[in-house]
Amino acid sequence: DQQVKQNSPSLSVQEGRISILNCDYTNSMFDYFLWYKKYPAEGPTFLISISSIKDKNEDGRFTVFLNKSAKHLSLHIVPSQPGDSAVYFCASRGNYGGSQGNLIFGKGTKLSVKP
Amino acid sequence: GAGVSQSPSNKVTEKGKDVELRCDPISGHTALYWYRQSLGQGLEFLIYFQGNSAPDKSGLPSDRFSAERTGGSVSTLTIQRTQQEDSAVYLCASSSGPLESQHFGDGTRLSIL
Repeated sequence: DQQVKQNSPSLSVQEGRISILNCDYTNSMFDYFLWYKKYPAEGPTFLISISSIKDKNEDGRFTVFLNKSAKHLSLHIVPSQPGDSAVYFCASRGNYGGSQGNLIFGKGTKLSVKP
Repeated sequence: GAGVSQSPSNKVTEKGKDVELRCDPISGHTALYWYRQSLGQGLEFLIYFQGNSAPDKSGLPSDRFSAERTGGSVSTLTIQRTQQEDSAVYLCASSSGPLESQHFGDGTRLSIL
């Protein structure tokens, strides 16, 4: 059973508009979430994170929103740029409340930003 | 470079052979993780090393998989008697601590014929 779900395998957005990538999780004990960005043939790179004590975290063009009651988080990219085209992975820290950091990843959403 | 380095970048081998994948973490990073990404799937946790503690092997899919980390630095992931379902990209990550951001290498693409 998937504990972290990204139900949209792909998303296409026009340059300058907002990109919204969604993620759902099943375990209400999860307390820390991350977004990673991955280009082809490269490893994922950390983008932004959010702790369960917050409902929003912002870093430049990237904002992550967390809705704990719905067990849902989303990544907003505004304005979207062609260089944002990549696969975006949502992840949760697997050992919630513990001292280990192994991550549980969703399957990813491929974002295409068209000029 | 200063990032996580993995070798080889690509490996093609016949079913039944053993393979070794190598990871050089960022210098000074105490935590090291192995993940794999099968086609169309997310990253799947395999094993985690933290300092001199016993590794967390809870993600290893079978006893054909093993990993070691020598001197708290370089790690090797070994797959014995490879099967076609082992074909995947194997990714290594390191962090300065278990709750810090993980930095990934570019992975080893393993293809089992």
